[in-house]
Amino acid sequence: GNSVTQMEGPVTLSEEAFLTINCTYTATGYPSLFWYVQYPGEGLQLLLKATKADDKGSNKGFEATYRKETTSFHLEKGSVQVSDSAVYFCALSPTQGGSEKLVFGKGTKLTVNP
Amino acid sequence: DTAVSQTPKYLVTQMGNDKSIKCEQNLGHDTMYWYKQDSKKFLKIMFSYNNKELIINETVPNRFSPKSPDKAHLNLHINSLELGDSAVYFCASRKAGGRTDTQYFGPGTRLTVL
Repeated sequence: GNSVTQMEGPVTLSEEAFLTINCTYTATGYPSLFWYVQYPGEGLQLLLKATKADDKGSNKGFEATYRKETTSFHLEKGSVQVSDSAVYFCALSPTQGGSEKLVFGKGTKLTVNP
Repeated sequence: DTAVSQTPKYLVTQMGNDKSIKCEQNLGHDTMYWYKQDSKKFLKIMFSYNNKELIINETVPNRFSPKSPDKAHLNLHINSLELGDSAVYFCASRKAGGRTDTQYFGPGTRLTVL
């Protein structure tokens, strides 16, 4: 079946620290991969995505590369800010077309201290 | 301009009651979803509709009944509410058939069953 495993949180960092949140997946076919972010009290927003192997998604200083050989899509940011404090969800969509659902990881809560 | 909106934002009710949550999207998307986020932030698909037709029903109790009067709306009716139904419910929409798989989420409805 399809599943997403991401590192357990919470993660606490100081401002300007380097961030990595690991995400690995299991899927049949060729899924699209996503990172969504949920700020406190808000809904989910798409942070970045990649739809095929070796694609790199990037947004707001965050990056993730679709690695088919390691079935991974790790999220990185070189220098985090307090405003990055949120819950981050890795997700996959099992196909690249059609009405498929998103399968989410359990979320990683990030807290960035000044 | 709100892309995906949900009402109400908060819903507090007694066990055994029947309640509805409404969702509307103005993105012209063909596919709409309901997700449930539990107290540990875990997100799981409940239903998906494409052009008013039910596509996905993920082993959700019969007490939950989605209704899509048109492509832009997907409402969720819950009968005989139980304590375990307390959660945040997110509506999402997506343009089916396109190369992009991005789902756009509403702000969520926090349901508390007492």
